[in-house]
Amino acid sequence: EVQLLESGGGLVQPGGSLRLSCAASGFTFSLSSMTWVRQAPGKGLEWVSTLTGSGRSPYYADFVKGRFTISRDNSKNTVYLQINSLRAEDTAVYYCAKPRGTDLHYYFDYWGQGTLVTVSS
Amino acid sequence: EIVLTQSPGTLSLSPGERATLSCRASQSVSSTYLAWYQQKPGQAPRLLIYGASSRATGVPDRFSGIGSGTDFTLIISRLEPEDFAFYYCQQYESTPNLTFGGGTKVEIK
Repeated sequence: EVQLLESGGGLVQPGGSLRLSCAASGFTFSLSSMTWVRQAPGKGLEWVSTLTGSGRSPYYADFVKGRFTISRDNSKNTVYLQINSLRAEDTAVYYCAKPRGTDLHYYFDYWGQGTLVTVSS
Repeated sequence: EIVLTQSPGTLSLSPGERATLSCRASQSVSSTYLAWYQQKPGQAPRLLIYGASSRATGVPDRFSGIGSGTDFTLIISRLEPEDFAFYYCQQYESTPNLTFGGGTKVEIK
């Protein structure tokens, strides 16, 4: 059974940093890209970042603007999202999701339960 | 960026009724690259449909997807109480910059 378990969210002041983690199980992690999707309170879903299984090819949404870094440790079956220079508009539930499809075209067949990031002074 | 516009924003229906949800793309999307998700409050999204019309594992056959080009539709043939939720479409034509629609809320009338 595929499981994705996020952690690392919390309350942080504007300008602060957080590292989110997503521990995966139930599939061959090193062969799968992994993605972060976020959802602001009462809003829709927004793609944030995807990292290929090898870890060599990260992709980011335009709004990231160099503030976010996605990484992975295949020995720990874990993907990370480092978020720096946090802004109020980054307040959201951050989900990790497992892509299905090809390297170029994918949807998401499994999602974690999400971790809430709140940016406020 | 491909923008997806979902309508209506809210659909008020009774159990047993048919629900028709629309997802319109700002440019053509291969029918292979359109997915639908269901999300209930406090829960993660759940994959319903991929490839515009293929049901994901375990999804009841009252859910169906149709469409091509710029117009796609999710149909719930007979609403069950557990179907009242939010629904999102997603295009994966232009990855990695994949996009989601703004969502449709299906609520009990």
